[in-house]
Amino acid sequence: QVQLVESGGGVVQPGGSLRLSCTASGFTFSSYGMNWVRQAPGKGLEWVAYIRYDGSNKNYADSVKGRFTISRDNSKSTLYLQMNSLRPEDSAVYYCAKGDTSGWGVWGQGTMVTVSS
Amino acid sequence: QSALTQPASVSGSPGQSITISCTGTSSDVGSYNLVSWYQQHPAKAPKLMIYAGSERPSGVSNRFSGSKSGNTASLTISGLQAEDEADYYCCSYAGSTTSYVFGTGTKVTVL
Repeated sequence: QVQLVESGGGVVQPGGSLRLSCTASGFTFSSYGMNWVRQAPGKGLEWVAYIRYDGSNKNYADSVKGRFTISRDNSKSTLYLQMNSLRPEDSAVYYCAKGDTSGWGVWGQGTMVTVSS
Repeated sequence: QSALTQPASVSGSPGQSITISCTGTSSDVGSYNLVSWYQQHPAKAPKLMIYAGSERPSGVSNRFSGSKSGNTASLTISGLQAEDEADYYCCSYAGSTTSYVFGTGTKVTVL
């Protein structure tokens, strides 16, 4: 079935780095744009980054621009989020979601990132 | 990139209809008919309920409907049921540079 599975979350110190992965199955990964969305504990959803189906266009929320990098490997059906210079306010559950402007119909289960000393 | 404005909470009795508003600007909601709505139950991933303003994905109950007027989008849930109790978020496309912006979220309570 159509599925997204995130991995790579954990506890990291402020200023540290972490790379999240999102492995897709059940659909043609290379045909779809992908997104990262995060949710801090007890807070709302925040869009983080988008990458076009072929990787040719990437956009970021102002809160992560210059620190986070979204990428994809279509041969591995995998989406990535490289997070550098992490701050306590980056602590959240990170979801990957499939889709472009017509809504995101498939979401992963989320992976927790905690930035704390 | 300011979040779209939603009421913090909306409540209704079983069988009633409720409407959740989502107010943006002429740069996002007002410029594109590309608002989507997501339902999120506690500790669960969001679920797409409406896309492109008023389209329902396959499998979503026709009790859910979406609309837009100017800079404000709306989600209406008719025939409210206990299972509809959840958080709801709108999300709008905001152009090729900004991409997307979420609403502040609305907690729906079924009385």
